[in-house]
Amino acid sequence: DGGITQSPKYLFRKEGQNVTLSCEQNLNHDAMYWYRQDPGQGLRLIYYSQIVNDFQKGDIAEGYSVSREKKESFPLTVTSAQKNPTAFYLCASTRGVLIGETQYFGPGTRLLVL
Amino acid sequence: EDQVTQSPEALRLQEGESSSLNCSYTVSGLRGLFWYRQDPGKGPEFLFTLYSAGEEKEKERLKATLTKKESFLHITAPKPEDSATYLCAVQGTNAGKSTFGDGTTLTVKP
Repeated sequence: DGGITQSPKYLFRKEGQNVTLSCEQNLNHDAMYWYRQDPGQGLRLIYYSQIVNDFQKGDIAEGYSVSREKKESFPLTVTSAQKNPTAFYLCASTRGVLIGETQYFGPGTRLLVL
Repeated sequence: EDQVTQSPEALRLQEGESSSLNCSYTVSGLRGLFWYRQDPGKGPEFLFTLYSAGEEKEKERLKATLTKKESFLHITAPKPEDSATYLCAVQGTNAGKSTFGDGTTLTVKP
């Protein structure tokens, strides 16, 4: 079955610690995205990548970093500079970046601060 | 800057009571408008893509319509399993980015 996997499902971060969220897709999609969702709110774009070894900042990139070394993988690091990291993090992918490409989402990772 | 506003924030219906969810948008050069369903603690599930004013799409009890300023998601004779948060998103001239609304949380009581 093709799809997007995210791990872990829950992640706990101590103050001052960097943590990395995993996102893998086997859909052979070119583009991948990271979103943050806070309670009762929609999705806000953190970073996106349209091709391997290239990525762009979204609307709320501060305190986050990404890499795209392989087509199928797009890990997100939440750094200690992100002062309010508690949220639900969603990874998505699209076949390309043409008109109206459908985004397919993973199951999400919930990050909590200890 | 692209903007999406969804209303109402929450909607409670009795089973079989039809209604509509609204998505108002401003976007520079609409490339696509998307509807997703999201269950608690899960990732959004794709429902529809609409590309131009006048377009309509249907799936089971759901029907999505599009004008130049807004989209409606009509729910006909809903069932309790239709309870979820429904998200609307638009994609403008920056094809790499989608802007999402805050969603409408639908609860259908048996």
